[in-house]
Amino acid sequence: TQLLEQSPQFLSIQEGENLTVYCNSSSVFSSLQWYRQEPGEGPVLLVTVVTGGEVKKLKRLTFQFGDARKDSSLHITAAQPGDTGLYLCAGAHWGTDKLIFGTGTRLQVFP
Amino acid sequence: ETGVTQSPTHLIKTRGQQVTLRCSSQSGHNTVSWYQQALGQGPQFIFQYYREEENGRGNFPPRFSGLQFPNYSSELNVNALELDDSALYLCASSLGGRSSSYEQYFGPGTRLTVT
Repeated sequence: TQLLEQSPQFLSIQEGENLTVYCNSSSVFSSLQWYRQEPGEGPVLLVTVVTGGEVKKLKRLTFQFGDARKDSSLHITAAQPGDTGLYLCAGAHWGTDKLIFGTGTRLQVFP
Repeated sequence: ETGVTQSPTHLIKTRGQQVTLRCSSQSGHNTVSWYQQALGQGPQFIFQYYREEENGRGNFPPRFSGLQFPNYSSELNVNALELDDSALYLCASSLGGRSSSYEQYFGPGTRLTVT
């Protein structure tokens, strides 16, 4: 059962454009993480959000955790070819120790 | 500080065989989680080990088993391999107790192909 849905599944844009990736669930999470994964490699942790309504910025990336702790978004400003990759959100429930991953958003940024 | 390492990088096995995958956790981390990532999908949780004990398990059959050693490295064993077991197997390490599950750091994975 996939509890985290990401949209869009695929995104193909030109360098310099802005984009937003969404991660939605009917479940409430204690924390949510965003990862970026390149082909043949493991996911690399970008950020962890733990407080409802929290906003974190990492250079051109802005992450938001929904007030109800059920959803999150990743906004990239002025995308660059180096941003290309698979973006994964992952949530954790209170009292458990496993990450539930989203379906992933594959981003391609063309120069 | 040494990151998470996994071996082997790639592996080809025949249906019905058994396989052992290995993971060395990041320095200072005492928790290891294993995930299976099929092509085009997000990782699926297999199980987690904390201080050498299994600490949570996903929806995987008993032929998926694991170990964690005193140095916190870990093994994933899969018996009676099936074609659907072909996937990227990811190991992630973290520092935490039984209620801590974020800030997991992943290794590069082992690509298993079952023919």
